[in-house]
Amino acid sequence: DTAVSQTPKYLVTQMGNDKSIKCEQNLGHDTMYWYKQDSKKFLKIMFSYNNKELIINETVPNRFSPKSPDKAHLNLHINSLELGDSAVYFCASSQDLQQGASKTQYFGPGTRLLVL
Amino acid sequence: DQQVKQNSPSLSVQEGRISILNCDYTNSMFDYFLWYKKYPAEGPTFLISISSIKDKNEDGRFTVFLNKSAKHLSLHIVPSQPGDSAVYFCAALLNDYKLSFGAGTTVTVRA
Repeated sequence: DTAVSQTPKYLVTQMGNDKSIKCEQNLGHDTMYWYKQDSKKFLKIMFSYNNKELIINETVPNRFSPKSPDKAHLNLHINSLELGDSAVYFCASSQDLQQGASKTQYFGPGTRLLVL
Repeated sequence: DQQVKQNSPSLSVQEGRISILNCDYTNSMFDYFLWYKKYPAEGPTFLISISSIKDKNEDGRFTVFLNKSAKHLSLHIVPSQPGDSAVYFCAALLNDYKLSFGAGTTVTVRA
């Protein structure tokens, strides 16, 4: 039973298109994240939502817009895709820290985006 | 600016021996450290963590050591097994939510 799942696993698209990546967690966590792993393999945080509220918003082009319909889902919508957006995008989740729980973040399998 | 650094991109070790992975950080405000293991085409999998108030945490074959004065942590895997061959990422947490990763160390365990 997958804890953090992402769809699609692979996404190949043309420059200029708009696409969405979906993420769902069944761990009952309150906080979700999006990370980008670039061609140099660095993993960098993009966004974080806690109970559907944005708490981290790194320096990311505003073509990227996260959407959290409920605390189990955090989707990533990307407008006007560019070649440089090609990367692996990872979703993650963690427990609500107010509950005194672990700070560990659990990751999904990744979505490999290729912009042509 | 990379605040978490793994200066060894790769490590080769014989099965049964100890693997030692190193990680340095620059931000003294990091208060929680984690190690993740990653296989190709999969997401990072949590291995072990340590709070900044401790200097050692052990879980089975995995032990993490933290030296705050040196801003250095290390992961020891003993004994190393073929299934341990993967990329290992060091990560540091700031303000409970913001996780910064190192570049990773690729470990190859030789039979």
